Amino acid sequence: AQSVTQPDIHITVSEGASLELRCNYSYGATPYLFWYVQSPGQGLQLLLKYFSGDTLVQGIKGFEAEFKRSQSSFNLRKPSVHWSDAAEYFCAVGISNFGNEKLTFGTGTRLTIIP
Amino acid sequence: DAGVIQSPRHEVTEMGQEVTLRCKPISGHDYLFWYRQTMMRGLELLIYFNNNVPIDDSGMPEDRFSAKMPNASFSTLKIQPSEPRDSAVYFCASSLRSSGKNTGELFFGEGSRLTVL
Repeated sequence: AQSVTQPDIHITVSEGASLELRCNYSYGATPYLFWYVQSPGQGLQLLLKYFSGDTLVQGIKGFEAEFKRSQSSFNLRKPSVHWSDAAEYFCAVGISNFGNEKLTFGTGTRLTIIP
Repeated sequence: DAGVIQSPRHEVTEMGQEVTLRCKPISGHDYLFWYRQTMMRGLELLIYFNNNVPIDDSGMPEDRFSAKMPNASFSTLKIQPSEPRDSAVYFCASSLRSSGKNTGELFFGEGSRLTVL
């Protein structure tokens, strides 16, 4: 069965600083990888996804992520964070041909932004 | 365009009572998912439907939980009888898989926060 590990439970970053959130997955075949963001009291919103092709994917809100097969990683990055980026971030892996039928989510990383 | 709509947003009930959570997916979407979110276990997939048919309910914790999708625009998740350990936020999500194309995106509702006393 597939699994996702987000090793950082909580990260604090200064506004304007760069950000990298880690995600490692375990799956025998080519995974479908996603990053979702959840603001307090809200549902999850898709930031970006990787299905195939270019291993560096761009998403909304200035986020990007890089798929590294050799490291089984899909880390999320942003060059300069804004206070509005404070939220919880979830990495997820899908296993079906269409990728979204049985998503397995990581436990999330809570991002705090300090002025 | 309306997103996924869930009701109620908050529910407080006593142990042993029946709880019904409701979901209206985005019009035209052919997949519907129920997730549960807790601090201890994170986001867990409970069940999902394709074209109103339950495909995988292996995540449903026990027989006290049941879910239905009588039509393309409505689904319910029922807990009977409820227990304090069922306290969680329950999310409904929908997605579209059209032939040859897949966005891979789940559209989530804002969740139903359930507290069982």
